[in-house]
Amino acid sequence: DPKIIQKPKYLVAVTGSEKILICEQYLGHNAMYWYRQSAKKPLEFMFSYSYQKLMDNQTASSRFQPQSSKKNHLDLQITALKPDDSATYFCASSGDINNQAPLFGEGTRLSVL
Amino acid sequence: QQKVQQSPESLIVPEGGMASLNCTSSDRNVDYFWWYRQHSGKSPKMLMSIFSNGEKEEGRFTVHLNKASLHTSLHIRDSQPSDSALYLCAASINYGNEKITFGAGTKLTIKP
Repeated sequence: DPKIIQKPKYLVAVTGSEKILICEQYLGHNAMYWYRQSAKKPLEFMFSYSYQKLMDNQTASSRFQPQSSKKNHLDLQITALKPDDSATYFCASSGDINNQAPLFGEGTRLSVL
Repeated sequence: QQKVQQSPESLIVPEGGMASLNCTSSDRNVDYFWWYRQHSGKSPKMLMSIFSNGEKEEGRFTVHLNKASLHTSLHIRDSQPSDSALYLCAASINYGNEKITFGAGTKLTIKP
């Protein structure tokens, strides 16, 4: 059974719309992350959270907003979607934010038309 | 911002051969390296980690680390077609709120 659940697996959106990508982990991990990967760019770190607090944000645009309602949840809200946002978004988690390798979910593949 | 450079970009190795992949960090504060493998259409899976100078072996996989040159390498012996994948190197820096930076990857193809 997958321990990091990402929903939906596939998502198609129109330019200018808003979407929320869901991530839940059942590993008891304290740190959660979002990464993005596209054909144009390699796997790119976006955010890290530890105990529901934002630790690092490497996303230039405020259109990307992580939301952590519970310790094992880290959703990603994306507003004013652009075609360039098309990518696979991976949620990941680790036991601790200090140098434990992240375990990745299966990703949400987003296409913006 | 730290950069992680991987070489070569792509590599073709005959089945049963040795694959050698390289990775270098641009930041002297790097403490930890990981190697991930990502099969097409799948998520990255952690393969091996190395934190100290020297060598570490797990089955057909061996990683080397030279902290002075910030260089790590992954060697796969007796390569199998199932080893065909994108291999990602990741490096971590201890600033207290560290993030892990990934390289662009080496696309490995094992030819039967």
